[in-house]
Amino acid sequence: DAGVTQSPTHLIKTRGQHVTLRCSPISGHKSVSWYQQVLGQGPQFIFQYYEKEERGRGNFPDRFSARQFPNYSSELNVNALLLGDSALYLCASSFLSGRGYNEQFFGPGTRLTVL
Amino acid sequence: AQSVAQPEDQVNVAEGNPLTVKCTYSVSGNPYLFWYVQYPNRGLQFLLKYITGDNLVKGSYGFEAEFNKSQTSFHLKKPSALVSDSALYFCAVTPSTGFQKLVFGTGTRLLVSP
Repeated sequence: DAGVTQSPTHLIKTRGQHVTLRCSPISGHKSVSWYQQVLGQGPQFIFQYYEKEERGRGNFPDRFSARQFPNYSSELNVNALLLGDSALYLCASSFLSGRGYNEQFFGPGTRLTVL
Repeated sequence: AQSVAQPEDQVNVAEGNPLTVKCTYSVSGNPYLFWYVQYPNRGLQFLLKYITGDNLVKGSYGFEAEFNKSQTSFHLKKPSALVSDSALYFCAVTPSTGFQKLVFGTGTRLLVSP
């Protein structure tokens, strides 16, 4: 079975630019979450979407936005990139939202470098 | 606010010896606790979780974890370490109510020597 897929694998942008990261969840999973993992740290929660609606948001500025599509895939958008946005962006899917006991399955991540 | 502490940046153990990776947590109400492993340039892989019930939880690849409510701990253990267990391990917590927002620790690097 295919796991969570993310694209692109790597991305290099310059400050001020905009970026879109994409995620396809495991088939049958309706919830997608996004995390930012800065080098040397644990992942930080950005968003959770379920059935195309935002269910939760972490402590990230409004430059970060996301959406979920009818096929449950998701996009993470970041505007006005800063050097500090350089990180591994992880997407995770789970079967249900709001059910904390469901483990999340993570994709391989998108490595974003901002120059 | 919920938080996770992994007090050891790195744990070194010889192959065949038991290993323990420590985790303590803070959360309002009852916790749901998870362990994930990350290999270089890879995403996180789920190992095991504690939801309720038996305090000893068994997971993938021979790993287990012990939930201790009084000490607010959820230490990861394995009776006999393998060199292939060398990786970065993350403990995470989410409250049992509300939407699932995993809060991760800073990670512990496990190095198993031959």
